[in-house]
Amino acid sequence: EIVLTQSPGILSLSPGERAALSCRASQSVSNNYLAWYQHKPGQAPRLVMSDASRRATDIPDRFSGSGSGTDFTLTISRVEPEDFAVYYCHQYGGSLPYTFGQGTKLEV
Amino acid sequence: QVQLQEAGPGLVQPSETLSLTCTVSGGSVSIIQWSWIRQSPGERLEWIGYVHHDGSAQYSPSLKSRVTMSVDTFKNQVSLNLRSVSAADTAVYYCARGGWSLTHWGQGTQVTVAS
Repeated sequence: EIVLTQSPGILSLSPGERAALSCRASQSVSNNYLAWYQHKPGQAPRLVMSDASRRATDIPDRFSGSGSGTDFTLTISRVEPEDFAVYYCHQYGGSLPYTFGQGTKLEV
Repeated sequence: QVQLQEAGPGLVQPSETLSLTCTVSGGSVSIIQWSWIRQSPGERLEWIGYVHHDGSAQYSPSLKSRVTMSVDTFKNQVSLNLRSVSAADTAVYYCARGGWSLTHWGQGTQVTVAS
């Protein structure tokens, strides 16, 4: 089972600042099959990035994804007020089970 | 716009079967795969498995002996059955569109296993 470790656990920033969220895998993620989701309280999680660097529909271009193998990063170039949420990474490239990180909370 | 809504009993007795449905609107269940994920209190998201519209499925090895997923194309619903539940199965259960990256999610439904 691939274990995903996200850091930091909590990221405190102000609007306009740059955010870098890390997701490290215990073994290489095949084909860079890694996704990022945004989750706000009381809402459904929302796909932000798939295949490590493919922005999902309607996701603004201030979001970008990078990385390969075992190290992946979600970057928000300039954080907007609506970006404050919990972000999860998710790998779907290895053997079963697919797994999730423990989450990074982006807060003001 | 595809929307998903989970439904089921909020409380399940230990050793019983947990049964949830996911109603899909704005799209057909007859394409792509549909996944179930859960999150227990204080724990990370846990992938349960996915079902293809033709009924074929992949399950988490840790749950495989207790899980069945199915698709009802007439009702446009996806179902999850989890047998022989215990307190460890208490969680918020989500359905999602996709078998790999998950493009749309429901808001989740809380299920508590207790007598």
